[in-house]
Amino acid sequence: GENVEQHPSTLSVQEGDSAVIKCTYSDSASNYFPWYKQELGKRPQLIIDIRSNVGEKKDQRIAVTLNKTAKHFSLHITETQPEDSAVYFCAASKRAGANNLFFGTGTRLTVIP
Amino acid sequence: DAGVIQSPRHEVTEMGQEVTLRCKPISGHDYLFWYRQTMMRGLELLIYFNNNVPIDDSGMPEDRFSAKMPNASFSTLKIQPSEPRDSAVYFCASSPGAKAFFGQGTRLTVV
Repeated sequence: GENVEQHPSTLSVQEGDSAVIKCTYSDSASNYFPWYKQELGKRPQLIIDIRSNVGEKKDQRIAVTLNKTAKHFSLHITETQPEDSAVYFCAASKRAGANNLFFGTGTRLTVIP
Repeated sequence: DAGVIQSPRHEVTEMGQEVTLRCKPISGHDYLFWYRQTMMRGLELLIYFNNNVPIDDSGMPEDRFSAKMPNASFSTLKIQPSEPRDSAVYFCASSPGAKAFFGQGTRLTVV
């Protein structure tokens, strides 16, 4: 099955700085890579996703990059704000037939005001 | 749309008791997932359904766990008998294809 590794497990940045979270996956057949944000005591919420036919995707202060050859993908948050503080999860899945998402272990991001 | 609805939000039960968690997926979503979240293991996929049919239950930890989806708008996850190590937050998620949308979760405490 798929194995998704995520680094770092914790990350602290000053408000206004950038944050980068990295994930690797093992199954070259995986072709869908979402990122979820989970605030304390709340549900994981999808913030951005990328498919394997795209190398980069941006949505305001958030961007995701994908390197299929190296089997890794990253989340970039620019101009961080205190409300960005949360646990971020990456995931990978194959679309055809099986639709189960394999999650990374999460990164706890703290933005220091 | 109200999103994925789970009940109860919190459940405290004694060891050995039966526990039933409930989920109503978003209307029109063909996929339904049950996840368990703990500090030690993170988010683990327990089982998922496609069009009400269980597709992969390899994540179900033991025979004490069972899940059903009798129709497109309702699913249950049952633990019988419950044990303290089952304490976790259980999330249900539904998906129309790839993007999964999570419910608010059920925090289960087995004492």
